[in-house]
Amino acid sequence: EADIYQTPRYLVIGTGKKITLECSQTMGHDKMYWYQQDPGMELHLIHYSYGVNSTEKGDLSSESTVSRIRTEHFPLTLESARPSHTSQYLCASSAPGQTNSPLHFGNGTRLTVT
Amino acid sequence: KQEVTQIPAALSVPEGENLVLNCSFTDSAIYNLQWFRQDPGKGLTSLLLIQSSQREQTSGRLNASLDKSSGRSTLYIAASQPGDSATYLCAVRPSWGKLQFGAGTQVVVTP
Repeated sequence: EADIYQTPRYLVIGTGKKITLECSQTMGHDKMYWYQQDPGMELHLIHYSYGVNSTEKGDLSSESTVSRIRTEHFPLTLESARPSHTSQYLCASSAPGQTNSPLHFGNGTRLTVT
Repeated sequence: KQEVTQIPAALSVPEGENLVLNCSFTDSAIYNLQWFRQDPGKGLTSLLLIQSSQREQTSGRLNASLDKSSGRSTLYIAASQPGDSATYLCAVRPSWGKLQFGAGTQVVVTP
């Protein structure tokens, strides 16, 4: 059962539009992450947060931005979408203070920019 | 930088056969290794997490082993079923840095 929710599941938009991908979790997890995944490729970390008002860029350079105003909510925003942003975006969370806690994922948002 | 490799990229087996999936990593300084399952168009589901001090973890038909010194982990799925068809990913949490994922092994179990 999913305790981490992503909306929308699918999104097709035109170049230049501003979009926000939503991610919410009900598990009280402090740590939240955004990954980007292209077909057949490994996941790449683009943003993470260790708590409210804490955000960091990940390993993969991304033109997106994130915010963490509430523990349960970690939205990702693209100010001006481009075809190169077409990908699957996966949100994840893990329990606080435990390096060995497993990662929980949402079902992802598949973004297509035309 | 930790690199994680999964070979083969794809695997097809008849129903009932045991599945053996491999994951190798370049730096043995890790906190844990996690195996995930991903169904088409979906997110990842955690299957097993092996801490660096453990040699294996079991859950039902799944067994994962870890050999840090050789930089390898193996996921065994006994008596495979068509419902086991999915992509299986391993991810390594190094002692430094963030979780590193392999590209996955796509498994098809034929009836």
